[in-house]
Amino acid sequence: QKEVEQNSGPLSVPEGAIASLNCTYSDRGSQSFFWYRQYSGKSPELIMFIYSNGDKEDGRFTAQLNKASQYVSLLIRDSQPSDSATYLCAVNAAGGGADGLTFGKGTHLIIQP
Amino acid sequence: DTAVSQTPKYLVTQMGNDKSIKCEQNLGHDTMYWYKQDSKKFLKIMFSYNNKELIINETVPNRFSPKSPDKAHLNLHINSLELGDSAVYFCASSLGTGGIQYFGAGTRLSVL
Repeated sequence: QKEVEQNSGPLSVPEGAIASLNCTYSDRGSQSFFWYRQYSGKSPELIMFIYSNGDKEDGRFTAQLNKASQYVSLLIRDSQPSDSATYLCAVNAAGGGADGLTFGKGTHLIIQP
Repeated sequence: DTAVSQTPKYLVTQMGNDKSIKCEQNLGHDTMYWYKQDSKKFLKIMFSYNNKELIINETVPNRFSPKSPDKAHLNLHINSLELGDSAVYFCASSLGTGGIQYFGAGTRLSVL
């Protein structure tokens, strides 16, 4: 059974600091990795995706992937109160993922003004 | 223009009823999905549909039946609704089965 694990939090970070969110996955053949942000009562919104080992940066967000350790992380620099949300790690299986994304249970992030 | 749209946004119904949720995407994607998000906010795949191939999550009861009249639409029909079906149902679409998935706004189903 494919599993994606995240610390549910809440993770409390002061405004302006770096928020670090972590995720591990069980399927070693997983090919692509996504971070979605979900505000309460809203739909998941894609923040970052990463396919290769290493870092990928987009504005204040950096995704990090280590396939050997089966570990994905998301760093948010200069955290803003508007970053307060639940962050969902999602993994697409090997072979294109026709059976959909496997999501973690999400980390609830709170940015304290 | 909303990329992935679902109707209705809210659905309140009695146990035992049959209901449908509709989903349409205007992104030109060829793969569509239904996800269920329970009260603990856990998001789980129910179905994916690509080029007329339906992949069903084995844990989904057969009271749930997806129907896709064309690549832009994937509807979800639920028979004999139960209390445990209360959840938010999200439709999503992607280009190819490995592509980035974009989500609709969700349908909040409450079974009384």
